[in-house]
Amino acid sequence: KQEVTQIPAALSVPEGENLVLNCSFTDSAIYNLQWFRQDPGKGLTSLLLIQSSQREQTSGRLNASLDKSSGRSTLYIAASQPGDSATYLCAVRRDTNAGKSTFGDGTTLTVKP
Amino acid sequence: NAGVTQTPKFQVLKTGQSMTLQCAQDMNHEYMSWYRQDPGMGLRLIHYSVGAGITDQGEVPNGYNVSRSTTEDFPLRLLSAAPSQTSVYFCASRTRTGGETQYFGPGTRLLVL
Repeated sequence: KQEVTQIPAALSVPEGENLVLNCSFTDSAIYNLQWFRQDPGKGLTSLLLIQSSQREQTSGRLNASLDKSSGRSTLYIAASQPGDSATYLCAVRRDTNAGKSTFGDGTTLTVKP
Repeated sequence: NAGVTQTPKFQVLKTGQSMTLQCAQDMNHEYMSWYRQDPGMGLRLIHYSVGAGITDQGEVPNGYNVSRSTTEDFPLRLLSAAPSQTSVYFCASRTRTGGETQYFGPGTRLLVL
């Protein structure tokens, strides 16, 4: 059974700092890995999707990497801003057409002005 | 293009009552799923569907029924609500194949007394 772990559970940084969020998974037979952002009381918003054949994806100040063999992904946020404060979740999808996604518990990020 | 919509946003039920959570998407996605999100337990898959007329159980299906008569709609029925079903429920959709991202609805917050 796939297990997804996100460390740390919470992170507080001053504005402007670069930071890394971690996601690890136990079964490397994945189809893709997706990073989401969730604001309090809201749904999930997709940030980046990495296919199993890819090593990284970038969008603006965000960069996500994937090392399938070691079962790890990182989300790098450059020059953090207070508006980045949210919970960040990673989800790993199995490599079948009906592939189910397994989610981590998330990292709650607070960026202080 | 409304994406994934869910109704109601908030509902209070008494133990033993039944209700249906509505989910609709206008992106012609084959794959739809229902998750529940509980503190400390992340998102857990309840039921999913890979197309109209096809549904299957996820990780925590007990106490819930689903049907998929059209591509657009995927309602979740609580047969006899229990306090343990107090949670936030999210509906999501994506294409069945390929590397498409998963889109989430805004969620339904359910309180069972």
